[in-house]
Amino acid sequence: QSALTQPPSASGSPGQSVTISCTGTSSDVGGYNYVSWYQQHPGKAPKLMIYEVSKRPSGVPDRFSGSKSGNTASLTVSGLQAEDEADYYCSSYAGSHRVFGGGTKLTVL
Amino acid sequence: QVQLQESGPGLVKPSQTLSLTCTVSGGSISSGGYYWSWIRQHPGKGLEWIGYIYYSGSTYYNPSLKSRVTISVDTSKNQFSLKLSSVTAADTAVYYCARDDSSALDAFDIWGQGTMVTVSS
Repeated sequence: QSALTQPPSASGSPGQSVTISCTGTSSDVGGYNYVSWYQQHPGKAPKLMIYEVSKRPSGVPDRFSGSKSGNTASLTVSGLQAEDEADYYCSSYAGSHRVFGGGTKLTVL
Repeated sequence: QVQLQESGPGLVKPSQTLSLTCTVSGGSISSGGYYWSWIRQHPGKGLEWIGYIYYSGSTYYNPSLKSRVTISVDTSKNQFSLKLSSVTAADTAVYYCARDDSSALDAFDIWGQGTMVTVSS
């Protein structure tokens, strides 16, 4: 069970958009529409931002959106704000198991 | 509103067994549709799924940890627990319990605050 692949870092200026990728295999990301994304600020527990590839839980701003193509899922943050600076993790169902990505540190310049 | 709280020793000696408990409040652990999970995060690193349990007792574990992990549930106390045997320094991490809403979101929608466990003599 290998971790999903995310870029270690991403950045953008306030107001811009940034996209974070999450690459897996046909056994996880590509095989199921059960990709989720989590935001984690330093010293805090992760927070669910996107589930089932592109759905937002109540309370998550619509600036956050998700998509998937083949074995790669993506998280896009539009209209970047200072509070979006955090670590982001993807996760996928992998047939009775769950797997996480290595995480991406998003910096708002 | 459902809340999760981890508890257990913050220091464990090498070769011993790490034991943590997650107490669920604001809801019943016996409610169907949820898998109760353990996830860890090594210092400065990413998240690692350890495993989860259904209220009925069905368990699923990370294959890389399966030989050392046991997750159990006590519905009478509304708690679930993690035991990780033969620990080494590589098991030093923040351990989170989380709820996997498999019936609706198929994601970890509620997390505990996390508890730091250090493996050291």
